[in-house]
Amino acid sequence: EAGVAQSPRYKIIEKRQSVAFWCNPISGHATLYWYQQILGQGPKLLIQFQNNGVVDDSQLPKDRFSAERLKGVDSTLKIQPAKLEDSAVYLCASSPGTGVPYEQYFGPGTRLTVT
Amino acid sequence: SQQGEEDPQALSIQEGENATMNCSYKTSINNLQWYRQNSGRGLVHLILIRSNEREKHSGRLRVTLDTSKKSSSLLITASRAADTASYFCATDRNDYKLSFGAGTTVTVRA
Repeated sequence: EAGVAQSPRYKIIEKRQSVAFWCNPISGHATLYWYQQILGQGPKLLIQFQNNGVVDDSQLPKDRFSAERLKGVDSTLKIQPAKLEDSAVYLCASSPGTGVPYEQYFGPGTRLTVT
Repeated sequence: SQQGEEDPQALSIQEGENATMNCSYKTSINNLQWYRQNSGRGLVHLILIRSNEREKHSGRLRVTLDTSKKSSSLLITASRAADTASYFCATDRNDYKLSFGAGTTVTVRA
């Protein structure tokens, strides 16, 4: 079974520029998550999708971050404009769906450096 | 906000020794999960323990859960160099969202 795919793996941008990350979850997984992991900290949930609908985006800085999951499969996370404090690893995860407690399957992450 | 807090922050042990790390949390949970993260990689699920369970085993891993103390522990027995990683506890409050702690960094010396 193929795992969660993310691209790019690394990105360096200057502040005020924009950047986009892509995630393809495990086939058939209804739930998709985006996390931000700052160095030395645990992952922090940014947004959760169930199929192509948003379940929770309460911790997404909506003035600069946006995410979509068209057709309920792959997803993109965008930052515009980026700030220095956005430097982090952005992790995508998926799980089969709600109803029972499920483990989450994580992709390798995208390491973003904002200079 | 991050609900779980791991202790210690870092741990260095000799190969073959056991490693124990603890996780404390603040509010009631549906289940608690442990994940491992190798340097520069994504997280890998290790074990899930439900709120009505007290202990669970998986290979060399043993997890305990004490809901009265709002704490969990992860024991890795007979550690190997490949166990060098960061370990995170994550709590699920029955809303299918995980809240991660800051993690324990484990270094296994050869």
